[in-house]
Amino acid sequence: GEDVEQSLFLSVREGDSSVINCTYTDSSSTYLYWYKQEPGAGLQLLTYIFSNMDMKQDQRLTVLLNKKDKHLSLRIADTQTGDSAIYFCAESNPNGGGSYIPTFGRGTSLIVHP
Amino acid sequence: NAGVTQTPKFQVLKTGQSMTLQCAQDMNHNSMYWYRQDPGMGLRLIYYSASEGTTDKGEVPNGYNVSRLNKREFSLRLESAAPSQTSVYFCASSNNRRVDPEAFFGQGTRLTVV
Repeated sequence: GEDVEQSLFLSVREGDSSVINCTYTDSSSTYLYWYKQEPGAGLQLLTYIFSNMDMKQDQRLTVLLNKKDKHLSLRIADTQTGDSAIYFCAESNPNGGGSYIPTFGRGTSLIVHP
Repeated sequence: NAGVTQTPKFQVLKTGQSMTLQCAQDMNHNSMYWYRQDPGMGLRLIYYSASEGTTDKGEVPNGYNVSRLNKREFSLRLESAAPSQTSVYFCASSNNRRVDPEAFFGQGTRLTVV
């Protein structure tokens, strides 16, 4: 199976909260990330959480980590049309050489409609 | 701040042609990466360079070669392009340290092989 899994699509109404979910398999994951990709652009880091944390909040974004279930979520409060994008979950852990190379999920396309 | 710069932004190749994708970063990062992005597949690691002078294979290295020219530059070469290599290619860089794990991405190179 895949190392990082996430659903492919999410549709929400403007002003509602969005919750994007992700599961991962590697229990040694050290960092878990959320990246955002707007159409025709590269990936932009939104936030990341260290594996010894349960929650991280940054303005409208809340990240929750359940290490026992290997489940990560990203909540966007008061979702706006500008939040429409693809959101990638990623994890990294030091491999044999000590490198923290991000491994990505397939991405969730968030569609925000009026 | 240029960040990570990729050239070219778009390219069309005929099957069997060769080309080199260029990537440069101005953040003094130790590590650089090449990913490919295909619809519904997320980002898959082709090659990475943990530090100047080293390169290693990622998940999908077949058909590609890389060169870490210096600390700033990391190029990806397609020796004999195939239609299966039609994709969007992203270069990224990071300090690749436990306290500084964020990867920064370029804007991508959209390659079509006909």
